[in-house]
Amino acid sequence: EVVMTQSPATLSVSPGDSATLSCRASQSVGTDVAWYQQKAGQAPRLLFWGGSMRPTGVPDRFIGSGSGTDFTLTISSLQSEDFAVYYCQQFSNWPPSGTFGGGTKIEI
Amino acid sequence: QMHLQESGPGLVRPSETLSVTCTVSGASLDGSTYYWGWVRQSPGKGLEWIATVHYGGHTYYNPSFRSRVTVSMDSAKNEFSLTLTSLTAADSAIYFCARDTGHHMVTIFDLWGRGSLVTVSS
Repeated sequence: EVVMTQSPATLSVSPGDSATLSCRASQSVGTDVAWYQQKAGQAPRLLFWGGSMRPTGVPDRFIGSGSGTDFTLTISSLQSEDFAVYYCQQFSNWPPSGTFGGGTKIEI
Repeated sequence: QMHLQESGPGLVRPSETLSVTCTVSGASLDGSTYYWGWVRQSPGKGLEWIATVHYGGHTYYNPSFRSRVTVSMDSAKNEFSLTLTSLTAADSAIYFCARDTGHHMVTIFDLWGRGSLVTVSS
């Protein structure tokens, strides 16, 4: 099983700043990584996946990058609604897998 | 607009079987090309993908759960379900149902229910 390790566990930033979140896979996964945002009491929200896919309605200040084992989610010009926990996820259709990282909390 | 709503028992005893159902509104499962999945979240293990089902009958399981889990769909009722056997306290979690992106991805989901809290305790 691929293990996804996120860092840092907590990131303290100010509104208007940029934030860079890291995710490392225990083995190469190509560009098969997704990023989610989760706010307290809510389900995760898909932000970016597969190297270039951003679901409709997700602001373009959320950008995912990376390949192989090292991945980054960059959030530019942080808004108040961006303070949340962010998860990376490795995905595969065959064999089916979808392992999540432990999360990075962005706090003010 | 499509919505997903989980319904579960809330409290289940150890060693018993959990059944959680996801009712889909705003669209029909009959003939749907989407994949429909289950993800759970607990303080101890974080987010875990459990299983996914497709209208065509294909099912996909996380090997970590394979011997204990079954996922099924009832298109007539417009719902799909998760069954998990031999429960322990470690299965206490919020169980989310979700829909894939439309790009035929088995374990990535862009529409989620609000979750059903399940506690395993005697």
